[in-house]
Amino acid sequence: DTGVSQDPRHKITKRGQNVTFRCDPISEHNRLYWYRQTLGQGPEFLTYFQNEAQLEKSRLLSDRFSAERPKGSFSTLEIQRTEQGDSAMYLCASSKSGGAEAFFGQGTRLTVV
Amino acid sequence: KNEVEQSPQNLTAQEGEFITINCSYSVGISALHWLQQHPGGGIVSLFMLSSGKKKHGRLIATINIQEKHSSLHITASHPRDSAVYICAVRIDDKIIFGKGTRLHILP
Repeated sequence: DTGVSQDPRHKITKRGQNVTFRCDPISEHNRLYWYRQTLGQGPEFLTYFQNEAQLEKSRLLSDRFSAERPKGSFSTLEIQRTEQGDSAMYLCASSKSGGAEAFFGQGTRLTVV
Repeated sequence: KNEVEQSPQNLTAQEGEFITINCSYSVGISALHWLQQHPGGGIVSLFMLSSGKKKHGRLIATINIQEKHSSLHITASHPRDSAVYICAVRIDDKIIFGKGTRLHILP
């Protein structure tokens, strides 16, 4: 499978716990994006990377959220001290820089109870 | 102000009807995607357009760059087409999503 993969697909956690999601982009793609989608809404931009550099962060990304892409390949999104409002679908996408087409992962659905 | 607007937000139609979903955007883009999202949430990319028209099976997508508008058409709609259809545009380094159109096809 050469698409964008995300792990896990589903995560249920108790409020206050930390969670970490992983995104594996298409191997030659140097841009990687994270989005959050709440019920009934379109995905909202969180952050994106060019290789290992995090180039932009949305104000939606509070200080409880951190994203890394240490070697410019896979990326992790960590949420610390989860809150019920963090319950959402977290989507990852990747693309080549200068290229137009983006590819989307299946998403990780987080439920905070 | 939303950079990407979709209409309608919700659409219910009978099986067999011709469906049109619209997407308008406010700035210059390098590409536009139409995506399908089923309950359970996984996103499937249907089309990527930078000009003209593309067809895949019963799905047709068109884009008018000058008018900053794209449409997704479904011919001979079927209940299995029921899903949320999302328009996403590539603006510089970002991908901006519309809020989606919830389509329900009745048998």
